[in-house]
Amino acid sequence: DAKTTQPPSMDCAEGRAANLPCNHSTISGNEYVYWYRQIHSQGPQYIIHGLKNNETNEMASLIITEDRKSSTLILPHATLRDTAVYYCIVRTPRGAQKLVFGQGTRLTINP
Amino acid sequence: DAGVIQSPRHEVTEMGQEVTLRCKPISGHDYLFWYRQTMMRGLELLIYFNNNVPIDDSGMPEDRFSAKMPNASFSTLKIQPSEPRDSAVYFCASSFRSGSSYNEQFFGPGTRLTVL
Repeated sequence: DAKTTQPPSMDCAEGRAANLPCNHSTISGNEYVYWYRQIHSQGPQYIIHGLKNNETNEMASLIITEDRKSSTLILPHATLRDTAVYYCIVRTPRGAQKLVFGQGTRLTINP
Repeated sequence: DAGVIQSPRHEVTEMGQEVTLRCKPISGHDYLFWYRQTMMRGLELLIYFNNNVPIDDSGMPEDRFSAKMPNASFSTLKIQPSEPRDSAVYFCASSFRSGSSYNEQFFGPGTRLTVL
């Protein structure tokens, strides 16, 4: 699976959109981008995944660049409960089941 | 559904003792994963099962660690003998396969293990 690079930390004001970047320049054609988050003292939680088209669900939006070398997770109206570590993971949905977690981005939502 | 259930939530033991962590996956899921999280190493996969069969145990640190899945609704991770460096939060997760695609993993609340 391709390696990802994320900023170690970010801050965002409550009510604003939180935009979390992820670089995955070595991604291959059949690899998807997955996002998970881990709120303090809880297990990781799946957020969203995509291949090349932008995706949106009730939690977030995922914007993938045309060359697929980077992506952005968008939390449209961040709340204090969105404070967490966010992990960007690249893998094939048909490949090995293992998730390889990097260090992620620690997002702090400020009141 | 109650989600992935882990027990105990907290475990404090002394070095040399045997520790058994338990996990009940979500009903209908055919994949089960054990992860360990520490400040130094982050979140790392130890082992995973498919239909109760271990598929990849390359993350198991050493012979002191063993995992079993006797049936589809129960798995254990055992450490014998335990050492202080085993102190960590251990997560269990489960997922299922639909067609040719794999789905997201659902994580339990974790077991915080402290070895004195």
